[in-house]
Amino acid sequence: ETGVTQTPRHLVMGMTNKKSLKCEQHLGHNAMYWYKQSAKKPLELMFVYNFKEQTENNSVPSRFSPECPNSSHLFLHLHTLQPEDSALYLCASSARTGGYEQYFGPGTRLTVT
Amino acid sequence: GQQVMQIPQYQHVQEGEDFTTYCNSSTTLSNIQWYKQRPGGHPVFLIQLVKSGEVKKQKRLTFQFGEAKKNSSLHITATQTTDVGTYFCAGENSGGSNYKLTFGKGTLLTVNP
Repeated sequence: ETGVTQTPRHLVMGMTNKKSLKCEQHLGHNAMYWYKQSAKKPLELMFVYNFKEQTENNSVPSRFSPECPNSSHLFLHLHTLQPEDSALYLCASSARTGGYEQYFGPGTRLTVT
Repeated sequence: GQQVMQIPQYQHVQEGEDFTTYCNSSTTLSNIQWYKQRPGGHPVFLIQLVKSGEVKKQKRLTFQFGEAKKNSSLHITATQTTDVGTYFCAGENSGGSNYKLTFGKGTLLTVNP
């Protein structure tokens, strides 16, 4: 248990569905991250929030929409996804950005049909 | 953009043998972090190296950061079955005001008992 929880753990959705992934950290951190992990690809950074402000959008398609209402919660809203978006989506947090270790949640295994 | 290359992609060893994974960055890094991901799990932080030429040890694990701060290695002495997993290096580039952690593809280590 790393202090970072993610729900749901598994999600199957059709290409026309809208769903949201939720991440919560209980570590008092100020930075939160979304990563995508696909087979045979490195961990891909998607979004970074530092003190609730988005500081990084790594050229992510607009069908992925992040939301960070406070430093403890992070959402990833999904709509009209493609099958190639199927992957493990990992949330992480750190004390702040810049040279701090990241604590990862267990991930949401997403399958787009 | 910044690239972090990691080799080998896979390594299979007999229990008791040594193991090394190498990481090379296309740019000078402010720091490098190492993570371990067990099969079916999520990345877990192992260590961070900051100084040029730095060497850190954790029991059977030895981490090195190159003099030019562009490469790093992780060496495991006398592997055990508990060492199985994927080892990722992640380099942080402090260019500008945004910090971005770029992960290598990882080295999957399997250990034959």
